[in-house]
Amino acid sequence: GAGVSQSPSNKVTEKGKDVELRCDPISGHTALYWYRQRLGQGLEFLIYFQGNSAPDKSGLPSDRFSAERTGESVSTLTIQRTQQEDSAVYLCASSQGEGRPLHFGNGTRLTVT
Amino acid sequence: GENVEQHPSTLSVQEGDSAVIKCTYSDSASNYFPWYKQELGKGPQLIIDIRSNVGEKKDQRIAVTLNKTAKHFSLHITETQPEDSAVYFCAASMGQAGTALIFGKGTTLSVSS
Repeated sequence: GAGVSQSPSNKVTEKGKDVELRCDPISGHTALYWYRQRLGQGLEFLIYFQGNSAPDKSGLPSDRFSAERTGESVSTLTIQRTQQEDSAVYLCASSQGEGRPLHFGNGTRLTVT
Repeated sequence: GENVEQHPSTLSVQEGDSAVIKCTYSDSASNYFPWYKQELGKGPQLIIDIRSNVGEKKDQRIAVTLNKTAKHFSLHITETQPEDSAVYFCAASMGQAGTALIFGKGTTLSVSS
């Protein structure tokens, strides 16, 4: 079956512009996660959803970052007024719920020029 | 919050040798510890996981050990092959009730033939 799908795979944007990153989780997975991975670094937790609710938004780095999930399916991560330090790979993962393995997409590589 | 330390950051071995990667975590309530392998340009893939009620788990050439008292866990790869070359990440669950994972900074494993 299909895995986690993320789009676009690559995005180049100018500083100050807004961007939207999309994640299509595995069908039936109730939990969805966003992580950020800077070049050569580990995975930095941003936010997770259980259904359409986000119980933990503690990882969002600033108020320029927001995320939503609808229909217990697709999620969108929005970064407003992008800065160069936002350049990274944004990874989405989904799972069947608490304590179940996370399945990752291949990420969106964001470059802010 | 949870903090995961991973060592070493790089590891080079000869084909056929064993490789060991070690992680420590800070939150005693963590109860789920997966390991992920990430190849260039792809998202992390789960290779093995262990829960807090188990001390060791093995899957062919890969094994993971967990010491809850000391709050550390390790990945062991035996009979390494060139295709094992990748970045490996350990992770720990964010406390007993949380489903999000906190990741270590990764280990770049190089297996030379």
